[in-house]
Amino acid sequence: GAVVSQHPSWVICKSGTSVKIECRSLDFQATTMFWYRQFPKQSLMLMATSNEGSKATYEQGVEKDKFLINHASLTLSTLTVTSAHPEDSSFYICSARVPTGRSDSYEQYFGPGTRLTVT
Amino acid sequence: RKEVEQDPGPFNVPEGATVAFNCTYSNSASQSFFWYRQDCRKEPKLLMSVYSSGNEDGRFTAQLNRASQYISLLIRDSKLSDSATYLCVVHTFSGGYNKLIFGAGTRLAVHP
Repeated sequence: GAVVSQHPSWVICKSGTSVKIECRSLDFQATTMFWYRQFPKQSLMLMATSNEGSKATYEQGVEKDKFLINHASLTLSTLTVTSAHPEDSSFYICSARVPTGRSDSYEQYFGPGTRLTVT
Repeated sequence: RKEVEQDPGPFNVPEGATVAFNCTYSNSASQSFFWYRQDCRKEPKLLMSVYSSGNEDGRFTAQLNRASQYISLLIRDSKLSDSATYLCVVHTFSGGYNKLIFGAGTRLAVHP
């Protein structure tokens, strides 16, 4: 299947600092990428849809000024957690859509995730 | 009501057992359906798409009932390596955007 990478795989930062997470599609171009967050023992929650060359679309309740998304190329989207606080500690996962070849049908492949701990 | 509901489990089964997971979704306009597998502290991995005609991949069989808004996954001859959380995922086009909605997952533990 398609390969999506994320960097870093884990990060520990101090409260008040900003952290940037990169998501790359390695063997395909992705016009649309997605950012999810998963707290322990909970499901993935979609945070935002990242569109190449345009503004990201944020889900209700997700602060766009706190979670900055940039999708500057067809293979890279970045999520910056600004002024991180302990409650932002979570598992952040990106994904990219890949057409299946069936009409209007896509599959999503996920990056390995980034575990953020804010102290 | 959650958009995608699953029995959280855990399902504890012996090797070789057959186990079935169920999932219901609330949005009748949902377009595509998937089962993902997630191992502890790892990202979800696509297990299989679910088509209206049903589909089978080795020991795994997925069924979709659009009228009942119900999806199932059957695992035959369970292996120890099948132990994971199985996520029911629904693709919906809502408010002008494509979204994947995840169920909370069903945990499976296969023991010797």
